[in-house]
Amino acid sequence: ILNVEQSPQSLHVQEGDSTNFTCSFPSSNFYALHWYRWETAKSPEALFVMTLNGDEKKKGRISATLNTKEGYSYLYIKGSQPEDSATYLCAPWQAGNNRKLIWGLGTSLAVNP
Amino acid sequence: DADVTQTPRNRITKTGKRIMLECSQTKGHDRMYWYRQDPGLGLRLIYYSFDVKDINKGEISDGYSVSRQAQAKFSLSLESAIPNQTALYFCATSEGQLNTEAFFGQGTRLTVV
Repeated sequence: ILNVEQSPQSLHVQEGDSTNFTCSFPSSNFYALHWYRWETAKSPEALFVMTLNGDEKKKGRISATLNTKEGYSYLYIKGSQPEDSATYLCAPWQAGNNRKLIWGLGTSLAVNP
Repeated sequence: DADVTQTPRNRITKTGKRIMLECSQTKGHDRMYWYRQDPGLGLRLIYYSFDVKDINKGEISDGYSVSRQAQAKFSLSLESAIPNQTALYFCATSEGQLNTEAFFGQGTRLTVV
């Protein structure tokens, strides 16, 4: 079973702060890395799907980088806003996992106004 | 209308009862998934289907069964519900490629008393 770790588990920041989270996964047999945002009482929504080592993706104030050789991805939020409060999940897709995503437990972000 | 629709949204049932959770999608995706979410455990895969004739067990399939009635419909059944099946259940869909995102339904909150 693939071991996916996300850190920190939870985070409280003030509005306007920039923050980042980490997703760690085994680097062998890597295919893709997914990031999702999950707001309370809603369903997870995709932020990024990344496949290439060195990939950087950006959506508004949120960006992500990927290092497949060492098995990690960073998610950055610039100038956090209260509406960014959510749980951020990562899920790698790797060979040997029967063609499915393996989900991390997420980083829970709370942005105080 | 949502692309991935789950019914019911909330359900309370008694131990030993049979219950079916339904999922339908209008995205035309071949792949469909059922997950459950429990506090502190993240998303865990129950069953997944890559087309109508392809059904696969996930991490926690015991006590559950599924039916892929059509490309657009994937139902999850609890043959004899037990209290530890109380959870939030999500259906999701995706295209066939590894680098494409998953789309989630709104979730079904099931309580077994």
